[in-house]
Amino acid sequence: EAGVVQSPRYKIIEKKQPVAFWCNPISGHNTLYWYRQNLGQGPELLIRYENEEAVDDSQLPKDRFSAERLKGVDSTLKIQPAELGDSAVYLCASSLRDRDIGELFFGEGSRLTVL
Amino acid sequence: LAKTTQPISMDSYEGQEVNITCSHNNIATNDYITWYQQFPSQGPRFIIQGYKTKVTNEVASLFIPADRKSSTLSLPRVSLSDTAVYYCLVGSPSGSARQLTFGSGTQLTVLP
Repeated sequence: EAGVVQSPRYKIIEKKQPVAFWCNPISGHNTLYWYRQNLGQGPELLIRYENEEAVDDSQLPKDRFSAERLKGVDSTLKIQPAELGDSAVYLCASSLRDRDIGELFFGEGSRLTVL
Repeated sequence: LAKTTQPISMDSYEGQEVNITCSHNNIATNDYITWYQQFPSQGPRFIIQGYKTKVTNEVASLFIPADRKSSTLSLPRVSLSDTAVYYCLVGSPSGSARQLTFGSGTQLTVLP
C-alpha cells in the first residue's frame, strides 16, 4: 500500500516568492494534517482537514499561508509571500477518522529553504 | 491540551533495554498516550499507543501507572538503527478536540 506522498522534497526560493506543497494521502484516509517542523523541534500542527473541511486551522498564519483539499483527497499548502522564518520542513499526514486514534501516517516532508 | 515533558537526550549501547519516560501531569480523562519515532529526513512513525496499564507490540512496550501522569516507553535490546528522536504525545480522540501536539522529543543515540 502506498504511503503519504509529498512533493517537492526540497525547495529553495528567495524571500517574497510564492511556494506550494502538494500532498496525496493514503487512499481512504479522510483526515489530513499539515505540520511544520523547525530544526531541532517537534512538528507543529498548521491545519487539519476532515474530508474537504478544514476543522482546525487555528495555528495557520492566514496572512500568508493558505491550504485547500479539493474533493477531500489531495491537498496543497501555499505560502505567499515566503519569509526567511518560513524555512522548515512541511509534513503532511493522514489518518482514518475515529480509528487508530493516535496513528498518523506521515509523508517524508518537503524541506523549504528561503534565502 | 496536556503538556508533555521528556528528557532532551539519552545514550545507550547496543543490546541494552532503553526506557524513556514522559511526564504529562495534566492528562485528561479522555486522553491517550502515543509515541512516535522520527529518523532524520523522514516523517514521524507511530510506535505504540495506550490508555492505561501496559501495552506491548512487536517493537516496544508502554507502561502507564494508575495515575496516568507519566508513561514509559521501553525498547528492548536496542540496535544502532534505533537511533532516532522519540516523541511522546497526549491527546483526545474525540471530534474537534482531537489534536496531537508534539513536544521537542528525546534524541536517543545508540552506541556500538
